[in-house]
Amino acid sequence: GAVVSQHPSWVICKSGTSVKIECRSLDFQATTMFWYRQFPKQSLMLMATSNEGSKATYEQGVEKDKFLINHASLTLSTLTVTSAHPEDSSFYICSARETGRQETQYFGPGTRLLVL
Amino acid sequence: GENVEQHPSTLSVQEGDSAVIKCTYSDSASNYFPWYKQELGKRPQLIIDIRSNVGEKKDQRIAVTLNKTAKHFSLHITETQPEDSAVYFCAAFVQGGSEKLVFGKGTKLTVNP
Repeated sequence: GAVVSQHPSWVICKSGTSVKIECRSLDFQATTMFWYRQFPKQSLMLMATSNEGSKATYEQGVEKDKFLINHASLTLSTLTVTSAHPEDSSFYICSARETGRQETQYFGPGTRLLVL
Repeated sequence: GENVEQHPSTLSVQEGDSAVIKCTYSDSASNYFPWYKQELGKRPQLIIDIRSNVGEKKDQRIAVTLNKTAKHFSLHITETQPEDSAVYFCAAFVQGGSEKLVFGKGTKLTVNP
């Protein structure tokens, strides 16, 4: 149980294009999902908290107009990197918190983004 | 806000030895402390967690201890094996307002055969 999937696992795009990443909880409902970014040999940096049916809460320093988050259902959240640039290249990981369970988070497999 | 410090950043042990990773947190309201193992290019996997009403928890070769007074918690791995080699992250759950996990910077553990 408690499986989280992410799609795509790999994406290469040209500078200036937009990329959408999907995060799905496969066998549980997730009112809250989280989006992290991880640079090589670094820790997980929380970008934003996504709540179903409401606007995402962004961490300080994260541009909400650049990283668009939509959490339209209890099993799906999407992150769109708009007008991607090479410095946006990173490993993006989502996690999902099961509805009714306050703390435990289950992570997706991550999406590696390379912007050329 | 909450700040989690993790030490050491790298740790190398011989197979069969024990490994200890330590974390400190700043927010006394934090009440949940998970440990994640992340292999290269893969997702973080929850390996053990502890809540603030418990001082120690053990699961086979892995144990976690929590000292609420000192605001630190530790991961102990006994009888290490090469497959334990990975990056380990501690985290603290921040309550109230924006409830979220705050992660330490990670410890790269290498178990040498």
